[in-house]
Amino acid sequence: DIQMTQSPSSLSASVGDRVTITCRASQSISGYVNWYQQKSGKAPELLIYAASSLQSGVPSRFNGSGSGTDFTLTISSLQPEDFATYYCQESYSTPITFGQGTRLEIK
Amino acid sequence: EMQLVESGGGLSQPGGSLRLSCAASGFAFSSHWMHWVRQAPGKGLEWVSRIRSDESVTTYADSVKGRFTISRDNAKNILYLQMNSLRAEDTGVYYCARVSRYNGGWTFDYWGQGVLVTVSS
Repeated sequence: DIQMTQSPSSLSASVGDRVTITCRASQSISGYVNWYQQKSGKAPELLIYAASSLQSGVPSRFNGSGSGTDFTLTISSLQPEDFATYYCQESYSTPITFGQGTRLEIK
Repeated sequence: EMQLVESGGGLSQPGGSLRLSCAASGFAFSSHWMHWVRQAPGKGLEWVSRIRSDESVTTYADSVKGRFTISRDNAKNILYLQMNSLRAEDTGVYYCARVSRYNGGWTFDYWGQGVLVTVSS
């Protein structure tokens, strides 16, 4: 099974900050990574697919990059609505695995 | 408007059964793989099961294999998850999710709102 190790597990930041979340796969998965945002009590929403493609309707301050084993999600200028939990997910093989999540909190 | 609406959750005793449904509308349901993903209280996302658009392929996480059965009715646009021999560790919110494909890959592009399953005596 592929393990997705996400870091940090939590992060405090201020509105306007630039933040980066990292996901490392236990083996090479090419660019088969998706990123999701989940707000409290809500279903996850797709932000980035194929490591770097922005889902339609998602603000351009969200950026994904990486290939092979190392992937990043960057939010260029945090907005109040961005405080949520973020998950990476590999779509390379089954069982499908998610990172453990990064909780982004207001400083 | 595209919608996925789960139902069928609730309280079950350990060893009991529940059947979850996910009613799809606003898209060509029969053209998409569908998955179930769950989330234990306060925890992260865990993939549970998937089914191919034509029902010819089903796959399960080891944690539910032999106990859960995924199925679909493409005529009614409904996805199901039959959960038997329930355990306390099956407690959580269950989401159905639609798969969309892109060049060589796929992603969960739409999720239902989730349904709560509680397994407790």
